[in-house]
Amino acid sequence: DIQMTQSPSTLSASVGDRVTITCRASQSISSWLAWFQQKPGKAPKLLIYKASSLESGVSSRFSGSGSGTEFTLTINSLQPDDFATYFCQQYNNYPYTFGQGTKLEIK
Amino acid sequence: QVQLQESGPGLVKPSETLSLTCTVSGGSISSFYWTWIRQSPGKGLEWIGYISYSGTTNYNPSLKSRITISVDTSRDQFSLKVSSVTAADTAVYYCARDLINEGIDYWGQGTLVTVSS
Repeated sequence: DIQMTQSPSTLSASVGDRVTITCRASQSISSWLAWFQQKPGKAPKLLIYKASSLESGVSSRFSGSGSGTEFTLTINSLQPDDFATYFCQQYNNYPYTFGQGTKLEIK
Repeated sequence: QVQLQESGPGLVKPSETLSLTCTVSGGSISSFYWTWIRQSPGKGLEWIGYISYSGTTNYNPSLKSRITISVDTSRDQFSLKVSSVTAADTAVYYCARDLINEGIDYWGQGTLVTVSS
């Protein structure tokens, strides 16, 4: 299975900040990477697919980049609603696998 | 707007079979791929497998010997069975729609299944 490693595990930031979360794959996954946002008690919400494509309806403050084994999710101008846990997921190989999550906290 | 809703028992005894159904509304199940994912504190998010509208399946090898995913297009439902459950199968189970190239876009709200005697 492909291992997905996110960093950091926890990130403290303030409203208005720009933050970046990194996801590394244990082998190349081309651009077959998605990013999700999850809030407590809710299902994950798709933000980005194919590494950099913004899901319909998602704020343009979210952007993704990368290919191969290293990927980033950037959130510009943090809003109160953005404080949540973020997961990456590879879908280049079966079984699909997820990162362990990055919890974005209010500083 | 596509909506998915999981249903099934919230408590299952060890060694028994966990059975869940996902009902799709707001769109036809007769296209796309339909997937099950679970989430537990210990294992994080774990992809269980998918079924296509035509019945093609793909399962996680770690669970393959114990799982069955089926589809009923006449009812716009798909189902998951996990046999011989243990406490390690305790998790929130999500059903979702998989666009394959464009990611997993619609998710159910999730249902907690606890394995305990």
